[in-house]
Amino acid sequence: AQKVTQAQTEISVVEKEDVTLDCVYETRDTTYYLFWYKQPPSGELVFLIRRNSFDEQNEISGRYSWNFQKSTSSFNFTITASQVVDSAVYFCALSGFNDYKLSFGAGTTVTVRA
Amino acid sequence: DAGITQSPRHKVTETGTPVTLRCHQTENHRYMYWYRQDPGHGLRLIHYSYGVKDTDKGEVSDGYSVSRSKTEDFLLTLESATSSQTSVYFCAIGSTGYEQYFGPGTRLTVT
Repeated sequence: AQKVTQAQTEISVVEKEDVTLDCVYETRDTTYYLFWYKQPPSGELVFLIRRNSFDEQNEISGRYSWNFQKSTSSFNFTITASQVVDSAVYFCALSGFNDYKLSFGAGTTVTVRA
Repeated sequence: DAGITQSPRHKVTETGTPVTLRCHQTENHRYMYWYRQDPGHGLRLIHYSYGVKDTDKGEVSDGYSVSRSKTEDFLLTLESATSSQTSVYFCAIGSTGYEQYFGPGTRLTVT
């Protein structure tokens, strides 16, 4: 069974601060896939990144970066120089090899104050 | 944006009544999914489909049924709505091992 834990329920920061969202996962599969989604206040789910288990390179996309560490089963997400538009709920998700579904964490609500 | 629409977007219904939610895609994708979103639980899979007339249960399927008579449409039916089924329902498309793309969601309130 797959399990994703996002221990931080809510994070509040002031604009321009960096914020890191933790994601810890459990799986018995040796091949698996990890994802991050963003859900802004408007409610839609926006795909941010997909990472497979055999690619441990960190990734940067603009102000977003992801740190994948297989040794600690973590896939953390950092927003650098946060902006008010980053205020959203962020979900980490996992799917195993040949798995039809995504297993989601409970989500972390990020509030960026001006 | 993936071409996924959901209808209705909002619905209020009474306990015990049947309710059908519709998901329509224009991507001709084989796999479709229904999730529900509740505070503290993230999204949980209700049912999924891997082709026309091919469906299977997810982790929270009790009280729900689905049908898929055409590639583009995936229907979710609450056979007799209960207050515990008050939730936001999302439809998604996507292949195994790849990201899923979600519809805009349906907010259902059962009174």
